[in-house]
Amino acid sequence: GAVVSQHPSWVICKSGTSVKIECRSLDFQATTMFWYRQFPKQSLMLMATSNEGSKATYEQGVEKDKFLINHASLTLSTLTVTSAHPEDSSFYICSASPGTRAPGELFFGEGSRLTVL
Amino acid sequence: DQQVKQNSPSLSVQEGRISILNCDYTNSMFDYFLWYKKYPAEGPTFLISISSIKDKNEDGRFTVFLNKSAKHLSLHIVPSQPGDSAVYFCAARSGSASKLTFGTGTRLQVTL
Repeated sequence: GAVVSQHPSWVICKSGTSVKIECRSLDFQATTMFWYRQFPKQSLMLMATSNEGSKATYEQGVEKDKFLINHASLTLSTLTVTSAHPEDSSFYICSASPGTRAPGELFFGEGSRLTVL
Repeated sequence: DQQVKQNSPSLSVQEGRISILNCDYTNSMFDYFLWYKKYPAEGPTFLISISSIKDKNEDGRFTVFLNKSAKHLSLHIVPSQPGDSAVYFCAARSGSASKLTFGTGTRLQVTL
């Protein structure tokens, strides 16, 4: 089946630094990828929709200058958390669909746990 | 505003018995509903889905029921197996192709 891979799976950084998370579709091309965030014991919250070759679409309340998204190719989207602070500590998950599946049937990456000290 | 709600944070079921996970929603524009399964430190895995024009979809041990008038759906797993122990998320789609709204999840524990 289709596979979506994220890297790194976990990262610890100091407050004020920037962290980049990569999301790759390994065996299909994805013009659209989605970035979610999950706090402990809460649901997955959609942060933004990453569009290949164009600007990402951010959900209400998500700071686009804080969470930079780049979708430079059909198999790679990156999320950069800029000037990270402890409140940015969370589980970040990307997802994509190969288009041959029904809408909404997404493949998710393994997730990336960010801890900001 | 939580448009998709899973009111039971956890559920414990004996192996071999039926597991019933519930989900309620408030947005009548949702047209497609999905269930995802998630193990710790992993991303969710798609399990089963149902269109809003149907009231039941079955796939092996998994059946999803949709009651549009009550804005309620449920996932039935029978018979439950220890490997089913995971967090189950209900998700709903409206309009945009793959933009999903997730519930808060229900942790299922299948005991021996």
